[in-house]
Amino acid sequence: GENVEQHPSTLSVQEGDSAVIKCTYSDSASNYFPWYKQELGKRPQLIIDIRSNVGEKKDQRIAVTLNKTAKHFSLHITETQPEDSAVYFCAASSSAPYNNNDMRFGAGTRLTVKP
Amino acid sequence: DAGVIQSPRHEVTEMGQEVTLRCKPISGHNSLFWYRQTMMRGLELLIYFNNNVPIDDSGMPEDRFSAKMPNASFSTLKIQPSEPRDSAVYFCASSSVDEQYFGPGTRLTVT
Repeated sequence: GENVEQHPSTLSVQEGDSAVIKCTYSDSASNYFPWYKQELGKRPQLIIDIRSNVGEKKDQRIAVTLNKTAKHFSLHITETQPEDSAVYFCAASSSAPYNNNDMRFGAGTRLTVKP
Repeated sequence: DAGVIQSPRHEVTEMGQEVTLRCKPISGHNSLFWYRQTMMRGLELLIYFNNNVPIDDSGMPEDRFSAKMPNASFSTLKIQPSEPRDSAVYFCASSSVDEQYFGPGTRLTVT
C-alpha cells in the first residue's frame, strides 16, 4: 500500500517569510495529492490539491509542486501570517479508474509563524 | 448541506464499556472513512467504505474495533470493550471523487 513521509515535523518561521513542507510517496499509481490544514481543536480542511497530470498549482499565497519521477511533492506558503500557524498534512491516493479513494496521510508538520 | 455530522462530540467512559461513534456523511458521497488521531500516532486510517461496502479495514487496531455502514447515510464505529489507550479523537470523512470532507470529530476519553 501507499506510504507517505512528510518533513519537517515542526517548522517555525518569522511572519512574512516563506515556509516549505515536503512529502514523498511510494505508490507510483497515486494520482491525487491534497494538502490539509488543521487548526488547534478543529477538523482537517483541504487547502489545495494537485493531480498527477499537473506539475504546479498556485492559489494566492499557497502553491504546490509535484515531481512524479521522484515521487515527491511540496507545499509552499509565501508571506506567512500568524493565522497560517497550524498542522499541515499531505496525502496521496489513487482514484480513477477504481475510485477506491485509499488516501494515506503524512505525519503532519506543525507550522508556527512568529509575529 | 450540513457537512459530515458526527455524534457524540465528546465521550467519556470507563474501561471495559462499549462505545459507539456515529457518522452521517454528506448526501451523495459514496465513500466514507474513519480515522483516529493521537499525538503519538498522528492521523491513522482505520477503515473505509465504498458504496457501503468495507474496502480496507487493515487499519483497525484489533478485534475490539468494528465498523458498519448499513446504508448510504449512516455509519458506526464500535469499540468493545474500550481501553484507556483508545483515547483519541475519531474523525469520520466522506468523499465523492477525491476531496475528503471531515466531520468535527468525537473526542473519546476512556478512564
